[in-house]
Amino acid sequence: KNEVEQSPQNLTAQEGEFITINCSYSVGISALHWLQQHPGGGIVSLFMLSSGKKKHGRLIATINIQEKHSSLHITASHPRDSAVYICAATLGRGADGLTFGKGTHLIIQP
Amino acid sequence: EAQVTQNPRYLITVTGKKLTVTCSQNMNHEYMSWYRQDPGLGLRQIYYSMNVEVTDKGDVPEGYKVSRKEKRNFPLILESPSPNQTSLYFCASSLLRTLSTDTQYFGPGTRLTVL
Repeated sequence: KNEVEQSPQNLTAQEGEFITINCSYSVGISALHWLQQHPGGGIVSLFMLSSGKKKHGRLIATINIQEKHSSLHITASHPRDSAVYICAATLGRGADGLTFGKGTHLIIQP
Repeated sequence: EAQVTQNPRYLITVTGKKLTVTCSQNMNHEYMSWYRQDPGLGLRQIYYSMNVEVTDKGDVPEGYKVSRKEKRNFPLILESPSPNQTSLYFCASSLLRTLSTDTQYFGPGTRLTVL
């Protein structure tokens, strides 16, 4: 069983919809990262958080340490948001490596 | 422009022929790392480095070598490539030595095919 689980694996939505992608992990973490991988393959770091909530434009990331769960929300989704979204965690007390979820493939239709 | 560069971007080679994928960053970052991405398996960490001359194994280090002789460069070496190393490879860097307080910057990726 992967230590970092994402859901859903695939998500298709209409433009304007509110999107939620979930990430859960099985052990204590130092930090949780959300990444975006564009159709061309490039990866961009969206958020790094260890508690609470962060917001950047239409993107919001939250984390609940007690429940070992993080969510990425997209408000007013747009076709350009279509990408693979990946969560990754620095597990345990060590902060040296990343363990990745398998990603959520998001398609926003016009 | 602040960036992580990888070369080559695409490579087709044959089993057993040694190859090196270069990675360079111009941001004076301490931490550098190599990942491979495979369908159904996602991203997995191969090796990482928190400082010059300091390298550590990630989750899938078998068949790979790395070196960190200079802060800006972190080459990935495949001494004897095999078809199971066909993958998409990413190099990444971050300013600080620990990933619990810093984000990563990714290179554009290298698509490697080993025949």
